[in-house]
Amino acid sequence: KQEVTQIPAALSVPEGENLVLNCSFTDSAIYNLQWFRQDPGKGLTSLLLIQSSQREQTSGRLNASLDKSSGRSTLYIAASQPGDSATYLCAVRRVSNYQLIWGAGTKLIIKP
Amino acid sequence: SAVISQKPSRDICQRGTSLTIQCQVDSQVTMMFWYRQQPGQSLTLIATANQGSEATYESGFVIDKFPISRPNLTFSTLTVSNMSPEDSSIYLCSVLQGTGELFFGEGSRLTVL
Repeated sequence: KQEVTQIPAALSVPEGENLVLNCSFTDSAIYNLQWFRQDPGKGLTSLLLIQSSQREQTSGRLNASLDKSSGRSTLYIAASQPGDSATYLCAVRRVSNYQLIWGAGTKLIIKP
Repeated sequence: SAVISQKPSRDICQRGTSLTIQCQVDSQVTMMFWYRQQPGQSLTLIATANQGSEATYESGFVIDKFPISRPNLTFSTLTVSNMSPEDSSIYLCSVLQGTGELFFGEGSRLTVL
């Protein structure tokens, strides 16, 4: 059974800091892994998609890595800004049945 | 990336009534899904909306409570029937593109009194 865990559940850092959000999964047989952000009461915005054959993806100040063997992905945010405050979710798509398994999210607060 | 429009964005409804949420995509997509997000919780898949046939529901969700239509490859509706306060949630439409990337609409925030 695939389980996805995100640590920490919440994080508060001063503006300008670089930070890392973690996502771990128990079954390495994944099709892909996707990172999202969600603002309060809103829908989800796709940030980065990493295919199982890839090691990392970058978009602007964001970099996501994937290590299937250890069951981990990290989302690196450089030079954080107050606008980065949101809940960040990772989701893993299983190979076996194409099911998407969600982490509980990390609530990020960037203090001005 | 797909652009997904959901209506209404929010609504306050009375117990026992029904509400239909619309989802419009700016391009044809094969896979379209409906999710629910209860307060403080992560996402739960309600069903896969199948074009031209009945939706495929996940365990715990039934057609009588959450009827879904998918008349074409760009549009779907989800109805929340006979609502109770426990149905107060954000309902989200999502589509899966050929790359394997999932995109979401802005969500419909439903409050049932």
